[in-house]
Amino acid sequence: RKEVEQDPGPFNVPEGATVAFNCTYSNSASQSFFWYRQDCRKEPKLLMSVYSSGNEDGRFTAQLNRASQYISLLIRDSKLSDSATYLCVVNRRNSGNTPLVFGKGTRLSVIA
Amino acid sequence: EPEVTQTPSHQVTQMGQEVILRCVPISNHLYFYWYRQILGQKVEFLVSFYNNEISEKSEIFDDQFSVERPDGSNFTLKIRSTKLEDSAMYFCARDNNNYGYTFGSGTRLTVV
Repeated sequence: RKEVEQDPGPFNVPEGATVAFNCTYSNSASQSFFWYRQDCRKEPKLLMSVYSSGNEDGRFTAQLNRASQYISLLIRDSKLSDSATYLCVVNRRNSGNTPLVFGKGTRLSVIA
Repeated sequence: EPEVTQTPSHQVTQMGQEVILRCVPISNHLYFYWYRQILGQKVEFLVSFYNNEISEKSEIFDDQFSVERPDGSNFTLKIRSTKLEDSAMYFCARDNNNYGYTFGSGTRLTVV
């Protein structure tokens, strides 16, 4: 099983739509979880951390289910500028400053 | 806080040549990382560097690779004898203490 697994997409959605991405991770010792956004040929940029209680940042909501080792990202009211690849990221184990492990990403295209 | 910057942005080199990728300037962070991303693939961990020493390295980081912090600020990744399969984006990152990483804009290495 891959360390971090995501549906590669692409997800093609109209402006204003709500879209959800899912991610599963294999290492039950992982303690830190993130969603990153990556534009074509650019560096990954942190979108949001993911907490057990779930967290929201504007149009973005992240959820974590530790029992199922499952992370989700919901984007409401999609904008054209949301078009990018969304990377699910976890740390390798429960100790300080361990390397982050990246999923391959889910590509989103928001269409006018 | 200063962003992580990398130079050069793009380097073309002949197979078998040595390349040095630079990450500058460095703020007062202790942990740094090098990652690479082959076109169309996921972001992969290469090496972590803590307090001027390698902390952890992946199986990708073989004897062809080395890292240094030659003057206390610049952070370099050297590939001794490049191969075609070393062509990728190379990202330097600093650890933001449980808030994920901040990546540099990357160096695109093309080996011909």
